[in-house]
Amino acid sequence: GAVVSQHPSWVICKSGTSVKIECRSLDFQATTMFWYRQFPKQSLMLMATSNEGSKATYEQGVEKDKFLINHASLTLSTLTVTSAHPEDSSFYICSASRWGAGANVLTFGAGSRLTVL
Amino acid sequence: SQQGEEDPQALSIQEGENATMNCSYKTSINNLQWYRQNSGRGLVHLILIRSNEREKHSGRLRVTLDTSKKSSSLLITASRAADTASYFCATVPSGSARQLTFGSGTQLTVLP
Repeated sequence: GAVVSQHPSWVICKSGTSVKIECRSLDFQATTMFWYRQFPKQSLMLMATSNEGSKATYEQGVEKDKFLINHASLTLSTLTVTSAHPEDSSFYICSASRWGAGANVLTFGAGSRLTVL
Repeated sequence: SQQGEEDPQALSIQEGENATMNCSYKTSINNLQWYRQNSGRGLVHLILIRSNEREKHSGRLRVTLDTSKKSSSLLITASRAADTASYFCATVPSGSARQLTFGSGTQLTVLP
């Protein structure tokens, strides 16, 4: 089955540093990947849509200079949280779109828990 | 933005009982999907139902869709402790091929 690998699964960093999270589709090509943010006991909030070879599309209210997304290949998208602050602490989840059951379904990574001190 | 609202927000049942979760949405959809999330993990796709379908089954899962009421339900029969997780509905708007909008989720606890 389709597998999406997300790394790191957890990271702790100091305020002001940048953190990169990788999302890889292991056995399929993903022209489109999605980045979500999830606060405790809440639903997923779509941050941006990452398209291979082009600029990401950000949702309203998401700072593109703060959350840098790069989708340089059909199997890898990265999210870099720049100059992280404690309010950026959250669970970040990526997903890759694939065609299944006659429609697009998402395969999710296991998530990355970011804690900014 | 979150389109879907799910109820109940939390549900606690005994093993062997059935669990029903409901999802309402606001706009026209292409399809509706249900996902499961174990605590601190990513989401797993469970089942997809298209806008022209009314009911779908997969193992112990039964999904219904009422487009006139813009609502869906997920029934898990003969629940097990391992079914304990958060369940989210997600909709694909009409005219959108890929983007999913997630509901607020239902936290299901199945007591052994």
